[in-house]
Amino acid sequence: GAGVSQTPSNKVTEKGKYVELRCDPISGHTALYWYRQSLGQGPEFLIYFQGTGAADDSGLPNDRFFAVRPEGSVSTLKIQRTERGDSAVYLCASSAQSYNEQFFGPGTRLTVL
Amino acid sequence: AQSVAQPEDQVNVAEGNPLTVKCTYSVSGNPYLFWYVQYPNRGLQFLLKYITGDNLVKGSYGFEAEFNKSQTSFHLKKPSALVSDSALYFCAVRLSSNTGKLIFGQGTTLQVKP
Repeated sequence: GAGVSQTPSNKVTEKGKYVELRCDPISGHTALYWYRQSLGQGPEFLIYFQGTGAADDSGLPNDRFFAVRPEGSVSTLKIQRTERGDSAVYLCASSAQSYNEQFFGPGTRLTVL
Repeated sequence: AQSVAQPEDQVNVAEGNPLTVKCTYSVSGNPYLFWYVQYPNRGLQFLLKYITGDNLVKGSYGFEAEFNKSQTSFHLKKPSALVSDSALYFCAVRLSSNTGKLIFGQGTTLQVKP
């Protein structure tokens, strides 16, 4: 079956611009996660949805970052006023329940110039 | 604070030899432990997990891991390495509550030479 998909695969933007990153989870998975991976580091947790609601957003670095999952399926990670330090690979994952293993998408590589 | 440590940036092993990739953790409560592998230009792939029960967990591609509560370790092992096992390996931990948040180690590059 189809895995987790993320679009775009690459995004180049200028400092100060707004970006949206999209995640399509595995069909039927109720839990969805966003992580950020910088070069040479392990993924860093950002936010986790159970259904439509954000169950844990403790990893969002500041109020420029926001994520939604309005219908409990597709999720969008939104970054306002991008900074060069936001450059990273943004990973999305989903799982059947919050306690199951997470299946990761290929990521979106964000470059802020 | 909750954390995961992978003390080796890189592990080198000859094909056919056993391999071990080390992981230690620090969490309060009973941990759920995971290993993921990342191949170049590909997403993270789930290898195995420990939730409860037998301390030796078997996973994909012939990998296994041993949970040691007293040493707070969850080392990844394989009896006979393949060149195709060369990749970046991540250990991760999640609390036993319902939160889905994973805390990852910094990763260990495994290089298997023919």
